[in-house]
Amino acid sequence: EVQLVESGGGLVQPGGSLRLSCAASGFPFSGYWMHWVRQGPGKGLVWVSVINHDGSHTSYADSVKGRFTFSRDNAKNTLYLQMNSLRAEDTAVYYCARAGSDWKIDSWGQGTLVTVSS
Amino acid sequence: QSALTQPASVSGSPGQSVTISCTGSSSDVGAYNFVSWYQQYPGKVPKLIIHDVSERPSGVSNRFSGSKSGNTASLTISGLQVEDEGDYYCSSYAGSSTLIFGGGTKLTVL
Repeated sequence: EVQLVESGGGLVQPGGSLRLSCAASGFPFSGYWMHWVRQGPGKGLVWVSVINHDGSHTSYADSVKGRFTFSRDNAKNTLYLQMNSLRAEDTAVYYCARAGSDWKIDSWGQGTLVTVSS
Repeated sequence: QSALTQPASVSGSPGQSVTISCTGSSSDVGAYNFVSWYQQYPGKVPKLIIHDVSERPSGVSNRFSGSKSGNTASLTISGLQVEDEGDYYCSSYAGSSTLIFGGGTKLTVL
């Protein structure tokens, strides 16, 4: 069974930093691209970033480019999202998710809440 | 990277059919057959219900169907049931290793 467990969320002041982690299990982690998707309170899903199977390629939404860094450690079956220069509008539940073929997302974690507020 | 356009809400009675549209551009929906649809209940994780425009994952009811014409994709739910009530999101590959979601549609079953 695919399991994705996010951690690292919390309250941070504007301009601060936070690192999210996502522990994966139940599938051959190193063979999959992975995403981060976020959802603000009462709002819709917003794609944040994707990483390829070995971490050599990443892509970001314009809203986070230059501030967020997506990485992975295949030896530890873990994803990381380093978030810097955080803004109030970054407040959201952050989901890590597994990429299936053809850009579908076939498995989601339960999410971790990030709140940016003074 | 503007969100795909979906109606904010749709409604229908049990047994009826409803269609949710998802309008993008020639750079995303119109350019690729990589459109997916997700169902999300309040406080729950999204669930994939349609991928590759019209393909249903194993275990998803055949009451859900998808299609695409030009820059607009559509999700049709036939034989509406009370348990279909929730939020629905489309997504599309948008080139250059980016993904874009729609703003979401709240389905109410009257």
